[in-house]
Amino acid sequence: EADIYQTPRYLVIGTGKKITLECSQTMGHDKMYWYQQDPGMELHLIHYSYGVNSTEKGDLSSESTVSRIRTEHFPLTLESARPSHTSQYLCASSETGEYYEQFFGPGTRLTVL
Amino acid sequence: QKEVEQDPGPLSVPEGAIVSLNCTYSNSAFQYFMWYRQYSRKGPELLMYTYSSGNKEDGRFTAQVDKSSKYISLFIRDSQPSDSATYLCAMSSIKAAGNKLTFGGGTRVLVKP
Repeated sequence: EADIYQTPRYLVIGTGKKITLECSQTMGHDKMYWYQQDPGMELHLIHYSYGVNSTEKGDLSSESTVSRIRTEHFPLTLESARPSHTSQYLCASSETGEYYEQFFGPGTRLTVL
Repeated sequence: QKEVEQDPGPLSVPEGAIVSLNCTYSNSAFQYFMWYRQYSRKGPELLMYTYSSGNKEDGRFTAQVDKSSKYISLFIRDSQPSDSATYLCAMSSIKAAGNKLTFGGGTRVLVKP
């Protein structure tokens, strides 16, 4: 079944640790996105990709980095986690074109102590 | 000022009532208007999509766009307890890099049996 997956779903980690949030999709979509969402707040785009070897920064400045080596995989990395990184991170994908629905994964809720 | 404004609620209604949700926006370039539903601890899922102005109906859901007033609405008829969720409006323009979506903060809806 075509879907979009995120792991881990929940992560509690100490300050200074390096973390990677995984996102994979089996929908064959070229475009992928990372959003950050604080409780009761808007989703803010932090990274997006048009396809393999393409990565762009979104509207919200983020200390995270992303890579797109394979079409289906779009991991997000924080080299040194801080309490200010505590948030929910949502991955999404869509087809390429003027407008196509963005399909969201279930999210990773990150807590940095 | 935020580009998209949405009342956070919560909006509490009895089962069977009509739920009325709305968003206002400031960017006249927005042409694509969406409503997403987000259950707790889940990613958003697309409910309705409208291009430019007008109405669109899908089952119990009706979306309206008034570009002259920069105002969009979502109506849910015969509301059910399973409609209890956060509803997010989202918008995009043809010029938006990466088909970026701009989200409202979401309105939390509670339908009481």
